[in-house]
Amino acid sequence: SQQGEEDPQALSIQEGENATMNCSYKTSINNLQWYRQNSGRGLVHLILIRSNEREKHSGRLRVTLDTSKKSSSLLITASRAADTASYFCAPETGRRALTFGSGTRLQVQP
Amino acid sequence: KAGVTQTPRYLIKTRGQQVTLSCSPISGHRSVSWYQQTPGQGLQFLFEYFSETQRNKGNFPGRFSGRQFSNSRSEMNVSTLELGDSALYLCASTLPSADTQYFGPGTRLTVL
Repeated sequence: SQQGEEDPQALSIQEGENATMNCSYKTSINNLQWYRQNSGRGLVHLILIRSNEREKHSGRLRVTLDTSKKSSSLLITASRAADTASYFCAPETGRRALTFGSGTRLQVQP
Repeated sequence: KAGVTQTPRYLIKTRGQQVTLSCSPISGHRSVSWYQQTPGQGLQFLFEYFSETQRNKGNFPGRFSGRQFSNSRSEMNVSTLELGDSALYLCASTLPSADTQYFGPGTRLTVL
């Protein structure tokens, strides 16, 4: 397993704006997963993108994966106050041991 | 379908004591993983159990142990608690052939 590193560490936007956060990792992966965590609570799975996929959509979420650059991005469109949370990426190499970075703390101002 | 449940949700212990945390996976999920989350170290993988066997282990001391029962429920035990063990302990379950891990709400352990 390996650690994903999210960037930026913190992001503050207005409701209705788009939010983009990035993730970099170090070695080859089978897939990369994005999770959301509301303050001090459990993680909610958002989306999984496999190493042979370049882009994936789920509702207002769009995830891209560039395996040549070992990076991924998560775009949340038309953000809402309820999107305020920490977002984590988790590169997965097939051993089921997800290792997370410190996350991006997103604050959406109403 | 019910999600992953963890009990208790909150726990306060003193140094030197031991603690057992419980995790019930989503029905049909046979893999259970445990994670520790602290402000300083972030989310770290503890171990994974599948079919009552530990399949994967993170870099934690032997004071941290776990087990899984035939109904896939899992317990995690921490002996000789230290102040640094104060954390949110999360468990996650997965279908045998899938990759997505579904997390429970966590148990917040405070060691005084």
